[in-house]
Amino acid sequence: NAGVTQTPKFQVLKTGQSMTLQCAQDMNHEYMSWYRQDPGMGLRLIHYSVGAGITDQGEVPNGYNVSRSTTEDFPLRLLSAAPSQTSVYFCASSYSTQVQPQHFGDGTRLSIL
Amino acid sequence: AQSVTQPDIHITVSEGASLELRCNYSYGATPYLFWYVQSPGQGLQLLLKYFSGDTLVQGIKGFEAEFKRSQSSFNLRKPSVHWSDAAEYFCAVGDTSHTGNQFYFGTGTSLTVIP
Repeated sequence: NAGVTQTPKFQVLKTGQSMTLQCAQDMNHEYMSWYRQDPGMGLRLIHYSVGAGITDQGEVPNGYNVSRSTTEDFPLRLLSAAPSQTSVYFCASSYSTQVQPQHFGDGTRLSIL
Repeated sequence: AQSVTQPDIHITVSEGASLELRCNYSYGATPYLFWYVQSPGQGLQLLLKYFSGDTLVQGIKGFEAEFKRSQSSFNLRKPSVHWSDAAEYFCAVGDTSHTGNQFYFGTGTSLTVIP
């Protein structure tokens, strides 16, 4: 089992560019979520999904889009990157639709110039 | 709004000494509470969780936590720290109210273990 796989591990963007952070899990988990981690602020929930076709906003959703077409994949899209989105992004999954991120990916370090 | 406070930004303990990491939460109902550990450059690993019932919860790696409703606390403890416990520790609270599934992390406590 690979668990939760995030790609890429590192990325540098210019302001205004778009990109998609990929997240895939092979555990057949229904619940998936995206977080950003900033120094001194812990992790903050961006978006989450409780199953294929169902997504909802977290604490800091602005500037990000998500979709969930399959159980396995939960990509995070930045439509027009801004320097304030420089962060480390983590994807997580859980077998339960209650809020409980169980398995985290290793993160994507994103820098926006 | 729900919130989680970890008062200690950084803690240093000697190997073999006991450890207690503090966590306070603000939540209207009985919360779902969690502790995670993050090693450098890694994702988070779930240490333990509290949903209901026994207020003393056992987790992995020899950690335990105690839920105290009167103090709105969920402190993490370990009787004897090992050098491999050096990491960042996060407390978190889950909100499954009718408004949706939300999850809030504290700002973390960095643990240094000295020989």
